[in-house]
Amino acid sequence: AQSVTQLGSHVSVSEGALVLLRCNYSSSVPPYLFWYVQYPNQGLQLLLKYTTGATLVKGINGFEAEFKKSETSFHLTKPSAHMSDAAEYFCAVSEAGGTSYGKLTFGQGTILTVHP
Amino acid sequence: KAGVTQTPRYLIKTRGQQVTLSCSPISGHRSVSWYQQTPGQGLQFLFEYFSETQRNKGNFPGRFSGRQFSNSRSEMNVSTLELGDSALYLCASRPGGSETQYFGPGTRLLVL
Repeated sequence: AQSVTQLGSHVSVSEGALVLLRCNYSSSVPPYLFWYVQYPNQGLQLLLKYTTGATLVKGINGFEAEFKKSETSFHLTKPSAHMSDAAEYFCAVSEAGGTSYGKLTFGQGTILTVHP
Repeated sequence: KAGVTQTPRYLIKTRGQQVTLSCSPISGHRSVSWYQQTPGQGLQFLFEYFSETQRNKGNFPGRFSGRQFSNSRSEMNVSTLELGDSALYLCASRPGGSETQYFGPGTRLLVL
């Protein structure tokens, strides 16, 4: 079974400050890892994903994440927060393998607040 | 390409009724997955359909069911609605062989 833990249900930063959202996962097989963002009254938008290869992955809107197998972590960062980054962020995991791609296990989400 | 569309966007039902939600995937995508989002339980996987066959199923009671048509459009049905079924229901589609799911805007269901 897989699980995802997002440390901190709420994170507050000032505009221009570093954004760090933490995600740890548990998986008995090689995982595929994702970060999604959800704006109010909307669906989920993919920010970035890790499947294989380079462990530092870059996504949209200046976000990046690093897969650290030894720490079972996939933390999301952005060097400089913008007001438009305020949203809820979800880390998710699926198993590598075609028949498992359609099932994502999500963390509980982190609400990011950006102060002017 | 048009994104994933879900209808209706909002729905109000009463306990004991049943409801059918619809999802149209991105053109060419053969897989549709459904998720329930609630404040208490977060995002939970319901089931996935691929080429009209249920491929994966989450831990939900049998009141939750789904199907997929030959054009890849999918419906999910909830029978005998309970107050706890109030949620945002999200569907996501992906191309065959790809691990990336693309989400629709969701259907918000309120059960009174």
